[in-house]
Amino acid sequence: GAGVSQSPSNKVTEKGKDVELRCDPISGHTALYWYRQSLGQGLEFLIYFQGNSAPDKSGLPSDRFSAERTGGSVSTLTIQRTQQEDSAVYLCASSSDPGTSQFFGPGTRLTVL
Amino acid sequence: DAKTTQPPSMDCAEGRAANLPCNHSTISGNEYVYWYRQIHSQGPQYIIHGLKNNETNEMASLIITEDRKSSTLILPHATLRDTAVYYCIVSRGSSNTGKLIFGQGTTLQVKP
Repeated sequence: GAGVSQSPSNKVTEKGKDVELRCDPISGHTALYWYRQSLGQGLEFLIYFQGNSAPDKSGLPSDRFSAERTGGSVSTLTIQRTQQEDSAVYLCASSSDPGTSQFFGPGTRLTVL
Repeated sequence: DAKTTQPPSMDCAEGRAANLPCNHSTISGNEYVYWYRQIHSQGPQYIIHGLKNNETNEMASLIITEDRKSSTLILPHATLRDTAVYYCIVSRGSSNTGKLIFGQGTTLQVKP
């Protein structure tokens, strides 16, 4: 079956603009995670969704970052007023249950000029 | 979640077994050991995980010491396609959302 998909694969934006990144998890997976990978920080957790529970937002670096998951499926990560330090690869992962193996998408490479 | 320590890099000859060590001396009783790898320019890929017993699947074997303070991931017959960064992660799994805290990992270079 289809894996986790993310769009766009690449995004170049200007400092101060807002961006939206999309994640389509594997069908039926209830848990969805966002991570980002930058040269200076490695792979870091951002946010987690599980069913109808309140999301775990503990990894979001600032209030410019937000995410939502509609209908328990597709998720959108929004970064407002982008800064150059937001440049990174943003990875989405899903799993059938929290604690089980996570399947990662190919990522969205964000470049803020 | 407990912290892990891995060597920054390792080499392995193609066709030989690759043994990747991980120390997790502060692991607690309800924490699992997970291994993921990341091949260049791709998202991380799940390999295997375990709690106390040794585990084996089609990709690898995981050996966990009796005191659970360290573990070894074994790729029995490494190929060039196994060249990647390997991450050892300790997590409480479902009792802690399952989020993964990645360290720096071990860069495994498989050489012909």
